[in-house]
Amino acid sequence: GEQVEQLPSILRVQEGSSASINCSYEDSASNYFPWYKQEPGENPKLIIDIRSNMERKQIQELIVLLDKKAKRFSLHITDTQPGDSAMYFCAVITGNTGKLIFGLGTTLQVQP
Amino acid sequence: AQTIHQWPVAEIKAVGSPLSLGCTIKGKSSPNLYWYWQATGGTLQQLFYSITVGQVESVVQLNLSASRPKDDQFILSTEKLLLSHSGFYLCAWSPDLWGAEQYFGPGTRLTVL
Repeated sequence: GEQVEQLPSILRVQEGSSASINCSYEDSASNYFPWYKQEPGENPKLIIDIRSNMERKQIQELIVLLDKKAKRFSLHITDTQPGDSAMYFCAVITGNTGKLIFGLGTTLQVQP
Repeated sequence: AQTIHQWPVAEIKAVGSPLSLGCTIKGKSSPNLYWYWQATGGTLQQLFYSITVGQVESVVQLNLSASRPKDDQFILSTEKLLLSHSGFYLCAWSPDLWGAEQYFGPGTRLTVL
């Protein structure tokens, strides 16, 4: 079945710098790519998503890029703050039943 | 605005005992509903989905079952818990016909001893 590779597993950055997380997928029919942020003990929260008819989407400091040809998408957080420290998951929808396949997650640590 | 509730917040159960977890969504009619499981420190795995009352599809087999007795209610259960059932159970809903934009409930933390 569809698999999603997510790298890196741990990312440490300095406050104010940028952070980038990369994901790749296998099924060329995948058409929806969300990103979730999960803080310890909390539920995952949808922070940004992109559909296959777009190549770039930005919401404030969050940028998502999609390269359908390479089957890769990425999350970029500009001007990171300590509040950005959390686990981040990428995901891919496969088929038409809402089956979300998640990557293994990236722990982002923003150091002051 | 839509709100999603899960109950209980946490459970500690013995191996071999039964389990029932609940999820209710208010403010949205006929939502797509999903159950996910997350091991401690792990990723999320979809278990079941339902697009309408009385209809549930299984995604993975983990000796669990699910039911949708009402439009706004989704139940996860088992008659006999295993140690491997421990983890974080999350219900999610989507307003989208194809399941995009899934929003998670607060979750139930299950410990099986």
